[in-house]
Amino acid sequence: QVVLTQSPSASASLGASVKLTCTLSSGHRSYSIAWHQVQPQRGPRFLMKLNSDGSHSRGDGIPDRFSGASSGTERYLTISNLQSEDEADYYCQTWATNTGVFGGGTKLTVL
Amino acid sequence: EAQLLESGGGLVQPGGSLTLSCAASGFTFKSYAMAWVRQAPGKGLEWLSRISGSGGSTFYADSAQGRFTISRDNSNNTVFLQMTSLRAEDTAVYYCAKFGISAYAMEVWGQGSTVTVSS
Repeated sequence: QVVLTQSPSASASLGASVKLTCTLSSGHRSYSIAWHQVQPQRGPRFLMKLNSDGSHSRGDGIPDRFSGASSGTERYLTISNLQSEDEADYYCQTWATNTGVFGGGTKLTVL
Repeated sequence: EAQLLESGGGLVQPGGSLTLSCAASGFTFKSYAMAWVRQAPGKGLEWLSRISGSGGSTFYADSAQGRFTISRDNSNNTVFLQMTSLRAEDTAVYYCAKFGISAYAMEVWGQGSTVTVSS
């Protein structure tokens, strides 16, 4: 069973960069994931797909301020030049053994 | 542009039933797997169910197994979630989502439909 682990919260200043982490459970380092954003009072928005080699493809209309990287079992989402609208919850997600899996989400606060 | 529009949410009593619909447009519906995901108040995203493009394969989370049924009508580009024996803990916003060609990533989301289970 694949488990995705995320830190509950993160914060960074307006205009700065922040790196969010999603950790795959042991033995699942080859898995690709997706990153999603959930803004307050809004539905989820697909941000990108991220492969184990760090290659990634952003969803339609997602600015290049959002980028991804991978190292071992860790999958990263970096947001550069933070804007106030980036304050949201961020979830990683994958599909494994006929089961959809979400991480617990990271609440990002923009200071 | 791919779009999904959920409907059918509302207030239902404990033990009741409800069917959610998700109308799809802007893509070849029958070619893609679809999913239902929910978010309870103050909680994270929870995957509930997935159906293949043909409708021949379905998968359920433990929380949905036996009470929820996913189905699709490829003639009308719609996916459904039939929910029975509803409980207070099923109160949530329910989203439909489209998987991409990669088959692991949910790449398009609907705006959500709110289900409230209360007497």
